Amino acid sequence: DSGVTQTPKHLITATGQRVTLRCSPRSGDLSVYWYQQSLDQGLQFLIQYYNGEERAKGNILERFSAQQFPDLHSELNLSSLELGDSALYFCASSPTGMDTGELFFGEGSRLTVL
Amino acid sequence: DQQVKQNSPSLSVQEGRISILNCDYTNSMFDYFLWYKKYPAEGPTFLISISSIKDKNEDGRFTVFLNKSAKHLSLHIVPSQPGDSAVYFCAASANGAGSYQLTFGKGTKLSVIP
Repeated sequence: DSGVTQTPKHLITATGQRVTLRCSPRSGDLSVYWYQQSLDQGLQFLIQYYNGEERAKGNILERFSAQQFPDLHSELNLSSLELGDSALYFCASSPTGMDTGELFFGEGSRLTVL
Repeated sequence: DQQVKQNSPSLSVQEGRISILNCDYTNSMFDYFLWYKKYPAEGPTFLISISSIKDKNEDGRFTVFLNKSAKHLSLHIVPSQPGDSAVYFCAASANGAGSYQLTFGKGTKLSVIP
């Protein structure tokens, strides 16, 4: 158990719809990262938040947005969903004040767009 | 363009023998490299890392070798155990151990046969 909690674990929806994925980082971790793993692909960095503020952006589509709340949980919002958005979405957190490169990942949210 | 490549989608090894997983990268700005292991229905977990100022890092049965001139790294597992059966992801960072915006390869599925 990494200590990172993601909900829901599975989600099936239709094209054009909007979904929200939720993540709670490990206790004490201020940074949250979102990664996307599409079929047969490596994990792709989407976005990072640190203590409520956006810190870095990766390959995140304009239809996607994220935020981190004062209690440090984060939400990834995916809108106008397309078939190609079907993927595993991972949330991760990193230890505060320790530059180890190690990320702690949640179990992921599997999104299926039909 | 894939900046981190794991050219072997799968690898089978007998229990007790050595497992060698390979990874190539193209971005010369990468200066920190990590290996993550992933079991089904779980998030990736950190295994071992290496800074570009080193050419080898060892942790128990796991050793990572870095050849900067060839832009190649490898993970050696000796001896291999059935519990090592998992997907192994190679990852790289361009800003040292303090950057968690990692670029991942597609992964290599290791099967250790009892």
